Amino acid sequence: GQQVMQIPQYQHVQEGEDFTTYCNSSTTLSNIQWYKQRPGGHPVFLIQLVKSGEVKKQKRLTFQFGEAKKNSSLHITATQTTDVGTYFCAGPGSGNTGKLIFGQGTTLQVKP
Amino acid sequence: GAVVSQHPSRVICKSGTSVKIECRSLDFQATTMFWYRQFPKQSLMLMATSNEGSKATYEQGVEKDKFLINHASLTLSTLTVTSAHPEDSSFYICSARKTASPNGYTFGSGTRLTVV
Repeated sequence: GQQVMQIPQYQHVQEGEDFTTYCNSSTTLSNIQWYKQRPGGHPVFLIQLVKSGEVKKQKRLTFQFGEAKKNSSLHITATQTTDVGTYFCAGPGSGNTGKLIFGQGTTLQVKP
Repeated sequence: GAVVSQHPSRVICKSGTSVKIECRSLDFQATTMFWYRQFPKQSLMLMATSNEGSKATYEQGVEKDKFLINHASLTLSTLTVTSAHPEDSSFYICSARKTASPNGYTFGSGTRLTVV
């Protein structure tokens, strides 16, 4: 079945270092979405990418959608302690059902 | 914005009892809502798609008789965990999306269920 894989599972960085998480889909996606879940919280929508090769920035966060629309990445420049949490990528499930298939998530820890 | 309210946020129940979790879209109508389950340090696992006015669509391996879903109005979906057992203890989250919104899905704050 359709799968969305994400690496790494965990990442510990020193505050100020950069961080990247990678997302890979087994199928071509019409779009990819990124969510952030703080410890003890619920997922919060960050961004949606739709176009092949699209790059979007939100302050220190840079999101990329691959040319083949099967992979994506999230890069955080100069991490801060407020960046702590789990970052999930998610792609639409097959069929026009509105379902989302989530990656396993990357949990980011930032040491002050 | 789009707001989804979920409650209760935490519930402890005894084995064998049933628990109802409510998910409301506060400022938009949601013909479809989604219910997820999340184990500690794991991803969100889609349990079912809740459809307003019709039966829910369950994912493979999810027992429909155990996890009853009702979507009686355009703003309310409920998940009832029937005859709960300790292995049902988990974090349950609902989500919905404003139609054609470019802003992704909005999640409820989740329900931490503990069955003792």
